[in-house]
Amino acid sequence: EVQLLESGGGWVQPGGSLRLSCVGSGYTFGSYAMSWVRQAPGKRPEWVSSINAIGSNTYHADPVKGRYSISRDNSKSTMYLQMDSLRPEDTAVYYCARFMAITIAPSDYWGPGTLVTVSS
Amino acid sequence: ETVLTQSPGTLSLSPGERAALSCWASQSVDSNFLAWYQHKPGQAPRLLIYGASTRATGIPDRFSGSGSGTDFTLTISRLEPEDLGMYYCQQYGNPPRTFGQGTKVEIK
Repeated sequence: EVQLLESGGGWVQPGGSLRLSCVGSGYTFGSYAMSWVRQAPGKRPEWVSSINAIGSNTYHADPVKGRYSISRDNSKSTMYLQMDSLRPEDTAVYYCARFMAITIAPSDYWGPGTLVTVSS
Repeated sequence: ETVLTQSPGTLSLSPGERAALSCWASQSVDSNFLAWYQHKPGQAPRLLIYGASTRATGIPDRFSGSGSGTDFTLTISRLEPEDLGMYYCQQYGNPPRTFGQGTKVEIK
């Protein structure tokens, strides 16, 4: 059974940093591209970052460019999201998701999410 | 970016009834790269439909997707009590990937 589990969320002051982790199990982690999606309270989900299967290509949404960095360690079946210079508008539940193994793919498996709260 | 608008905001129906959820895109979705997700509080989102009309693995055949271009529909042919939750459409053909604001399905 494919499972994804996020961790590392919590409360942080504006300007602070957090690193989220996502552990995958039940499949060959290193064969799939992955992404982070967030959902702020009362808002629609928002794509944040993506990374290809081997970690050589990364992509970030404009609101987080220059502040967030996505990476992965396939030997640990883990993906990361380093979040720096955090702002109150970054407050959201952050989900990791696996892309289907097809060209131009949706995400077929998601984790239950981890809450990030940015507040003074 | 492509803005997705879903309607209705809330759908309240009885078990066995048919539900039709709509998703409109501000511009044509390339190659009908449109997905539907079900999301229940505290749980992981669940992929229902991709490519506008292809059911994901393990999804019951009471869920079906249709549409093309800018107008898409998710139909639940016979509502079951466990179908309650939020439903989101997502387009993944026009970067950046974007989501609709969701339709809440309530079971009477």
